[in-house]
Amino acid sequence: DIQMTQSPSSLSASVGDRVTITCQASQDITNYLNWYQQKPGKAPQLLIYDASNLETGVPSRFSGRGSGTDFTFTITNVQPEDVATYYCQHYDSVPYTFGQGTKLEIK
Amino acid sequence: EEQLVESGGRLVQPGGSLRLSCAASGFRFGDYYMAWVRQAPGKGLEWIGRIRDKVNSHITEYAASVRGRFIISRDDSKSSMYLQMNSLKIEDTAVYYCVRMNGAFDIWGQGTVVTVSS
Repeated sequence: DIQMTQSPSSLSASVGDRVTITCQASQDITNYLNWYQQKPGKAPQLLIYDASNLETGVPSRFSGRGSGTDFTFTITNVQPEDVATYYCQHYDSVPYTFGQGTKLEIK
Repeated sequence: EEQLVESGGRLVQPGGSLRLSCAASGFRFGDYYMAWVRQAPGKGLEWIGRIRDKVNSHITEYAASVRGRFIISRDDSKSSMYLQMNSLKIEDTAVYYCVRMNGAFDIWGQGTVVTVSS
């Protein structure tokens, strides 16, 4: 099974900051990597698919990059509504696995 | 509007069984693979299984944690997917989400709560 190692587990940022989350796969997954946002008490929402493609309707301050085993997710100009937990997930092969999650709070 | 709505979650005793349903609307349900994802209280997301489309013979695949106990099925005529959960354990307590697979999990239901407790 492919393991996804996501870091950090939590971070604190000020409004307007730039934050980056990393996700490392235990083997090459080419670009089969997605990023989700989960706000408290809500279902997750797809933000980025195939490592770097922005889902329709998602603000352009969210971005992703990477391929192979190393991936990053960035929020530029963090906003108060970005308070959430963010997850990476691979879909190279079953079982699909998620990273452990990164909880973002606003200072 | 493309939508998924889960139902069927409730309190059940260890060793019991439960069937969850997922009703889809707003898209051609039969064209898509579908999956179930769960989230235990205060924990992260766990993929538990998927069912392919008719072209791919509705083949199912499961996470090791539920294989042999859970069964995913679908009825394309009703735009619905199901999760039959048997031999439930306390550690199966979670919110269960129905998701549409379009490569990524692009549509999620609101979730249904399953609590396994005596």
